[in-house]
Amino acid sequence: AQTVTQSQPEMSVQEAETVTLSCTYDTSENNYYLFWYKQPPSRQMILVIRQEAYKQQNATENRFSVNFQKAAKSFSLKISDSQLGDTAMYFCALSYNQGGKLIFGQGTELSVKP
Amino acid sequence: NAGVTQTPKFRVLKTGQSMTLLCAQDMNHEYMYWYRQDPGMGLRLIHYSVGEGTTAKGEVPDGYNVSRLKKQNFLLGLESAAPSQTSVYFCASSYSNVQETQYFGPGTRLLVL
Repeated sequence: AQTVTQSQPEMSVQEAETVTLSCTYDTSENNYYLFWYKQPPSRQMILVIRQEAYKQQNATENRFSVNFQKAAKSFSLKISDSQLGDTAMYFCALSYNQGGKLIFGQGTELSVKP
Repeated sequence: NAGVTQTPKFRVLKTGQSMTLLCAQDMNHEYMYWYRQDPGMGLRLIHYSVGEGTTAKGEVPDGYNVSRLKKQNFLLGLESAAPSQTSVYFCASSYSNVQETQYFGPGTRLLVL
């Protein structure tokens, strides 16, 4: 079975500082992808960043980057220069074959404080 | 492009009533999904479709049925609503399989009394 675990239910960070959200996963698949989605109070699910499991290089998207440790099955998200608009629930998700289904973690609620 | 849209945005049902949630996408995506989101549990897959005329069960399919008669639409039905089906329902779509990003609709909040 595929599982995704986010062990930090809530986190807070001061504006302009850096924060790291943790995610671990378990899968027996060789071909899989990892995602971070953001869900602001509007409830809209927004893709933040994605990582192909076969690539060793960590993905980056502007202020967002990941630390992908394949052997440890760890996939953390680093947000640099945090902004008030980053306040949201963040979900880590795993996609694998058989329909490309997403398996989500429980989510981490991030608050950015002024 | 509207992306992924969901109808209705909010609905209140009484136990035993039936209803259909509609999902529509204008991106010509092959794959479509229905998820439910409950507090503290993330999103869980109910049913999905890999193309027009196909459907498959996800993680929590009991109490739900789906249909994909047209490529752009994916319907989620509740035949006899139960309070345990109170949730926020999200539809998503993607071009194809594992490597593709899923695009989500705005969600439908359902309250079953």
